Amino acid sequence: DIQMTQSPSSLSASVGDKVTITCRASENINKYLNWYQQKAGSAPKLLIYTASSLQSGVPSRFSGSGSGTDFTLTINGLQPEDLASYFCQQSYSSPITFGQGTRLDIQ
Amino acid sequence: QVQLVQSGGEVKQPGASVRVSCKASGYSFYSNAISWLRQAPGQGLEWLGLINPYNDKTNYAQNFQGRVTMTADTSTRTVFMELRSLLPDDTAVYYCARDNSDLGADEGFAPWGQGTLVIVSS
Repeated sequence: DIQMTQSPSSLSASVGDKVTITCRASENINKYLNWYQQKAGSAPKLLIYTASSLQSGVPSRFSGSGSGTDFTLTINGLQPEDLASYFCQQSYSSPITFGQGTRLDIQ
Repeated sequence: QVQLVQSGGEVKQPGASVRVSCKASGYSFYSNAISWLRQAPGQGLEWLGLINPYNDKTNYAQNFQGRVTMTADTSTRTVFMELRSLLPDDTAVYYCARDNSDLGADEGFAPWGQGTLVIVSS
């Protein structure tokens, strides 16, 4: 199975900050990396697919980059509603696997 | 709009089985596979497998082979997931989620159902 490692596991930032979360795959997954946001008590919501494509309806302050084994989710201009956990997920091979998550707190 | 609505929470004894349903609306039921995932309390996400309603083809994660069955009822646009021989470690929120693309799971999962809490306890 492909292992996905996210960092950091948690972070705290202020409104307006630029936030970066990284995800590393245990082997080459090409561009097949997706990012999700999960707010407390809710189901995950797709933000970014195939590394850098913005899902319809997602604010443009969210962006993704990377290929191969190293990927990044960036939030430009953090908003209070971005308080959530963020997960990466590889869709390159079965079984589909997820990172352990990054908890984002707003200072 | 595209929507997945799941059945309500369940409490089961160890060794029992649970069946969770996921009713789809707002799109062609045959066009996208549906996966089942779970999230134990305070933990990450685990993929159990998928079913393609077009041809009933399934792909189960090896960890759940022999213990999980996924089926689809096209007449009611509903997908079902049955998990057998439950253990306390199976306590989790179970989600169904649709392939974001009709070409497969490459583009992630969207949308997700609201989740079904399954508690396994004696």
